[in-house]
Amino acid sequence: GAGVSQSPSNKVTEKGKDVELRCDPISGHTALYWYRQRLGQGLEFLIYFQGNSAPDKSGLPSDRFSAERTGESVSTLTIQRTQQEDSAVYLCASRTPGALDGYTFGSGTRLTVV
Amino acid sequence: KNEVEQSPQNLTAQEGEFITINCSYSVGISALHWLQQHPGGGIVSLFMLSSGKKKHGRLIATINIQEKHSSLHITASHPRDSAVYICAVRSGNQFYFGTGTSLTVIP
Repeated sequence: GAGVSQSPSNKVTEKGKDVELRCDPISGHTALYWYRQRLGQGLEFLIYFQGNSAPDKSGLPSDRFSAERTGESVSTLTIQRTQQEDSAVYLCASRTPGALDGYTFGSGTRLTVV
Repeated sequence: KNEVEQSPQNLTAQEGEFITINCSYSVGISALHWLQQHPGGGIVSLFMLSSGKKKHGRLIATINIQEKHSSLHITASHPRDSAVYICAVRSGNQFYFGTGTSLTVIP
């Protein structure tokens, strides 16, 4: 597709369950970012991939969060044993490093933990 | 057409200059965010606005709801302000983002 695709767009899960969020970046975009935004708060940086490697994992809020990327393409963000505090919109963005034409963001996955 | 348009796309300024970045949007919004992203990917949320004007240090953000326009001003710019500034709006359950303004402040 022409843009960054995230799925699912909405996810309601029970506390304690695992969830997997998916991001399909723009083809050829080597850099991929995950962010989240909790209600009424600013964006939080979670993790950044350059190719398939993640040089900066400092934003992951706990060891329940993990992310991987394969083939310099799809990335999945996994949250284990979800907690209510994990409820947020999870955003993915991609860009080509060095490009001056900015970032392309997905429309997000709204995660609600009940 | 993008729901959020930013200008300029790129900006180079001398240290000390007053800087303005503009954002126009076409959807109804509940809030507008100005974000700052440094190399490496981390984003800092600078402001969240729904009306009027906010000021943090050398940064000032204004929004005109009727005109669907917001501006981010940086007074007495400094090289550490060099970053990409992103305008983002929340409309219902959707987020729409500008493609960013890449600012370089030269000493």
